[in-house]
Amino acid sequence: SSELTQDPAVSVALGQTVRITCQGDSLRRYYTSWYQQKPGQAPLLVIYGKNNRPSGIPDRFSGSSSGNTASLTITGAQAEDEADYYCNSRDTIGNHPYVIFGGGTKLTVL
Amino acid sequence: QVQLQQWGAGLLKPAETLSLTCAVSGGSFSAYYWTWIRQPPGKGLEWIGEINHSGSTSYNPSLKSRVTISVDTSKNQFSLKLTSVHAADTAVYYCARTLGADCSSTSCPFVYWGQGTLVTVS
Repeated sequence: SSELTQDPAVSVALGQTVRITCQGDSLRRYYTSWYQQKPGQAPLLVIYGKNNRPSGIPDRFSGSSSGNTASLTITGAQAEDEADYYCNSRDTIGNHPYVIFGGGTKLTVL
Repeated sequence: QVQLQQWGAGLLKPAETLSLTCAVSGGSFSAYYWTWIRQPPGKGLEWIGEINHSGSTSYNPSLKSRVTISVDTSKNQFSLKLTSVHAADTAVYYCARTLGADCSSTSCPFVYWGQGTLVTVS
């Protein structure tokens, strides 16, 4: 079955760089999107496609991919970046499209 | 500015049917995927299914037998029905819209989200 695997939790010191990873076979075929979710809020798209940021997303957020692994990098993490981060992609089962999410990574900014 | 406003019953008994509607304002209703996603309390996101403006649907195989997503383009709304609910269906349900409908270069990320509706089955 299609799955995306993320580390459950990651921590980073304020102002330092952190990488959050996502692994899955579908990432060899489809781009990964990344979402930030804070408590009580809907997810917010932060990275999509090859390495695109929606309007309003700070440029400290970037994305990359190699083989079956996609990464979200936050360069110079800020206190407001503390949140859950989810990766997301697409796959097909037979001829049917299918959308998958990773289990999420809780980012703590120390 | 595109906005998604969703509503529906928040408390259901086991075996009842969950029904949610999402109204879209501020943008075209065509050339996107209109999607339902849920999140059980304290857990991750789960894709339920999607529909495009012409009514073509795709569903999560684990829910397919119980899910129907429909669209009313005259009202710029789309809806979710989930039959025979049970406790494991308790979740915050979100409607969402993709960036576009050509997923080859982006994988169709979800750029607009509704505010979420907590549905409790008890």
